[in-house]
Amino acid sequence: LAKTTQPISMDSYEGQEVNITCSHNNIATNDYITWYQQFPSQGPRFIIQGYKTKVTNEVASLFIPADRKSSTLSLPRVSLSDTAVYYCLVGDRAAGNKLTFGGGTRVLVKP
Amino acid sequence: SAVISQKPSRDICQRGTSLTIQCQVDSQVTMMFWYRQQPGQSLTLIATANQGSEATYESGFVIDKFPISRPNLTFSTLTVSNMSPEDSSIYLCSVAEGTTNEKLFFGSGTQLSVL
Repeated sequence: LAKTTQPISMDSYEGQEVNITCSHNNIATNDYITWYQQFPSQGPRFIIQGYKTKVTNEVASLFIPADRKSSTLSLPRVSLSDTAVYYCLVGDRAAGNKLTFGGGTRVLVKP
Repeated sequence: SAVISQKPSRDICQRGTSLTIQCQVDSQVTMMFWYRQQPGQSLTLIATANQGSEATYESGFVIDKFPISRPNLTFSTLTVSNMSPEDSSIYLCSVAEGTTNEKLFFGSGTQLSVL
């Protein structure tokens, strides 16, 4: 499984855009990139998944360059409730989603 | 999306005892996973529990310590045996869903403290 590297923490302010970049230099051809969000005392929650280029949903956007060695999760206009830990995972869905969680990025949104 | 209920939500146990954690899903799912999250840390996969087969354990986790049952497609249990303070963690049940099982859904977890 490809390992991932993310910043340990990031601070932002309400209304700003937050971009979290994840490095996965050893990503394999069949690997997908998935992001999860975790609030205290809760299990992680699926945010978005992609393979290449750009994916957007109602919550976030995911940008993946052509070499796929990194990806950037973009959270538009964050609010205080977006304060959480964000995890980038890389893995082969065909392997049964046995995904390895890295250290995650602790995002603090300030008023 | 699947709704996952875990019981108990928290417990305080004595050293040397065992605790069984239950995970109930509101729909039939093939793949279920058990994770451990130690205080302030990321999640570590303990084992994969698929119905009709023995659980598959990750490196560092053994069946004698963490026996798992998966009697049907909506239920699983994880037992933490012969507990020590080092077992104090949050234990999370997870299921894979989506057209190609691309999404993981988690229960709210069981916070275990061992004295």
